[in-house]
Amino acid sequence: DAGVTQSPTHLIKTRGQHVTLRCSPISGHKSVSWYQQVLGQGPQFIFQYYEKEERGRGNFPDRFSARQFPNYSSELNVNALLLGDSALYLCASSLEAGPTNEKLFFGSGTQLSVL
Amino acid sequence: AQSVTQLGSHVSVSEGALVLLRCNYSSSVPPYLFWYVQYPNQGLQLLLKYTSAATLVKGINGFEAEFKKSETSFHLTKPSAHMSDAAEYFCAVSYTGGFKTIFGAGTRLFVKA
Repeated sequence: DAGVTQSPTHLIKTRGQHVTLRCSPISGHKSVSWYQQVLGQGPQFIFQYYEKEERGRGNFPDRFSARQFPNYSSELNVNALLLGDSALYLCASSLEAGPTNEKLFFGSGTQLSVL
Repeated sequence: AQSVTQLGSHVSVSEGALVLLRCNYSSSVPPYLFWYVQYPNQGLQLLLKYTSAATLVKGINGFEAEFKKSETSFHLTKPSAHMSDAAEYFCAVSYTGGFKTIFGAGTRLFVKA
């Protein structure tokens, strides 16, 4: 079975531009979470979606938005990019919402560089 | 508020030596605790998780961790390091009713031949 897949793997943008990152969860998983990992730091929670509804949001500005589609895939959108948005963006899927004791399955991430 | 502190951003051990990676958590409610490993250019992979069933948790690749409530700790150990263990390790916490997993800053493990 395929794991969590993310696209693209690498992306270079300039300040002020907009970016869309995509994630396909493991088959059967209904929950998708997005994390931002800045170099040298641990992942920071951005969003959790379950059954197409936002279940939780981290401390990120409104420039960050996301959605989940009927097939449970998800998009993360970032508007008006700043240099500080440069990071590895990780998508994680799990069977149910929570996460409580749910194990997260991570994709390999999208490396975003903002110049 | 829940938080995770990993002591030591870098740990270096010799091959065959004991691995000890430290993690302390702060939580006002009973936590669920996790250790994840991240290899270069890859996502995170679960090593083990504590969910109150047993205080000593065994994970993959010979790693284990012990939950000590009195010390609010969840340190990760492995008796004998292998070169393939070189990676970044993240301690994480979540809790009932929450919607996010909170990660520590990570500890990079170096294994010397």
